Amino acid sequence: AQRVTQPEKLLSVFKGAPVELKCNYSYSGSPELFWYVQYSRQRLQLLLRHISRESIKGFTADLNKGETSFHLKKPFAQEEDSAMYYCALGGTGGGNKLTFGTGTQLKVEL
Amino acid sequence: GAVVSQHPSWVICKSGTSVKIECRSLDFQATTMFWYRQFPKQSLMLMATSNEGSKATYEQGVEKDKFLINHASLTLSTLTVTSAHPEDSSFYICSALWGNNEQFFGPGTRLTVL
Repeated sequence: AQRVTQPEKLLSVFKGAPVELKCNYSYSGSPELFWYVQYSRQRLQLLLRHISRESIKGFTADLNKGETSFHLKKPFAQEEDSAMYYCALGGTGGGNKLTFGTGTQLKVEL
Repeated sequence: GAVVSQHPSWVICKSGTSVKIECRSLDFQATTMFWYRQFPKQSLMLMATSNEGSKATYEQGVEKDKFLINHASLTLSTLTVTSAHPEDSSFYICSALWGNNEQFFGPGTRLTVL
């Protein structure tokens, strides 16, 4: 069964501090991992996906198959990064279905 | 581009009535759409995959006769909650699949059943 674990419900950091949002997954096949972000009163939107290997808004995430993790990182948090972040798992043969983690609320304080 | 809309954004209904929620891809065609349910402070739970021109595929534990899905065109999927009860109150979110396997999400519909 597919499962995504985000251990932190809330992560509070100061502006300029590094950020790491944790995500671990369980999947027997070849995984596709995504990070989605939901800003206040806005819809869910894709932040990044592991196959793109991009840095979006300063965020990066590396898929570590050995540790089954896909942690989201940013070296210097900005106030506008405050949002809800969801890690999601898709995979080959899954018909593009996504399994979402429970989300982590990131709060960047001044 | 790749905008998905939902209508209505908020609906209140009496117990026992049926409610229809629409999901539209505004500027692209989507053969596949997804319906999710989100309880307060919880994650999105996939309910079903909606395929244009064929029957929806429901996730385990989701009653297909309770949550009727119709994907009649390449830009519209509807979710009808039949004989709604208070426990069906939730936030319903749809997404549409576009291009390279990316899902674009609608803004959600809040259903309150009295």
